[in-house]
Amino acid sequence: EVQLVESGGGLVQPGGSLRLSCSASGFTFSSYVLHWVRQAPGKGLQYVSAISSSGDSTYYTDSVKGRFTVSRDNSKNTLYLQMSSLGPEDTALYYCVKGGTWTWHYFDYWGQGTLVTVSS
Amino acid sequence: QTVVTQEPSLTVSPGGTVTLTCASSTGAVTSGYYPNWFQQKPGQAPRSLIYSTSNKHSWTPARFSGSLLGDKAALTLSGVQPEDEADYYCLLYYGGARGVFGGGTKLTVL
Repeated sequence: EVQLVESGGGLVQPGGSLRLSCSASGFTFSSYVLHWVRQAPGKGLQYVSAISSSGDSTYYTDSVKGRFTVSRDNSKNTLYLQMSSLGPEDTALYYCVKGGTWTWHYFDYWGQGTLVTVSS
Repeated sequence: QTVVTQEPSLTVSPGGTVTLTCASSTGAVTSGYYPNWFQQKPGQAPRSLIYSTSNKHSWTPARFSGSLLGDKAALTLSGVQPEDEADYYCLLYYGGARGVFGGGTKLTVL
C-alpha cells in the first residue's frame, strides 16, 4: 500500500524558515517523480514544486523560486521542502504527491498534508 | 500570467450527467497540456481521477471520463451519485514541469 506522510509543519513568524518532510512507503521511491502542492485555507490547489526521481531536475512555481528548495534522500525514502523567507501568503496545507516514473505530468497518490501557518 | 478557468459551481441531479470544463488563457487546450483531474471532498486530501486527458486510475469509477471538448479539457460524470458531491480541480502543463491548477468547480448533487 502506498503511503505518504508529511511532517514538519507548524507556526512560524514572517521571514522565518521551515523544513517539511514526506516519508514514503509502499513503492520504489527512487523511481518516481514527486510533487509538492499546497492549499491555502478555504482556497484552491496550487502547484509548488517537483523533483525528478534522481533529484537532478527540479521545478518551482514563480512565487517560491529562490525561497524554497526541494530535495530527496532516496536512501531514506524521504522528500523534503526547505522553505525560507516565509510570508503570510505561504500559509497553507502542504501536500506531498507521488508522480510518474519518467514524466512530470502524472499524479497518483496524495499524502494527508502538513499545515504551515506564517503569522506573528 | 497563465490562468486556468473552471466553472465555479455546478448542480446536477442524482443519476444525471454533468460536464466540467477546464480552459486555458493561452488558447485551446490540447493533449499536450496533459490535463489531470482531481476530486476533493471536505476535510480530505485530493484524490487523483484522470491523467493525460482521458486515462483513469485503477480506483477511478467508470462513471468518470475525461476528454477534450472544443477548446477545453472536460470531465464528464454520467449517472451521478450523491457521493460525487465535491470540489473538482483540473491541472494543465505549460512546458516541462510548469503545472497550473484551475480554480476548482464545486459540484452539488441535488
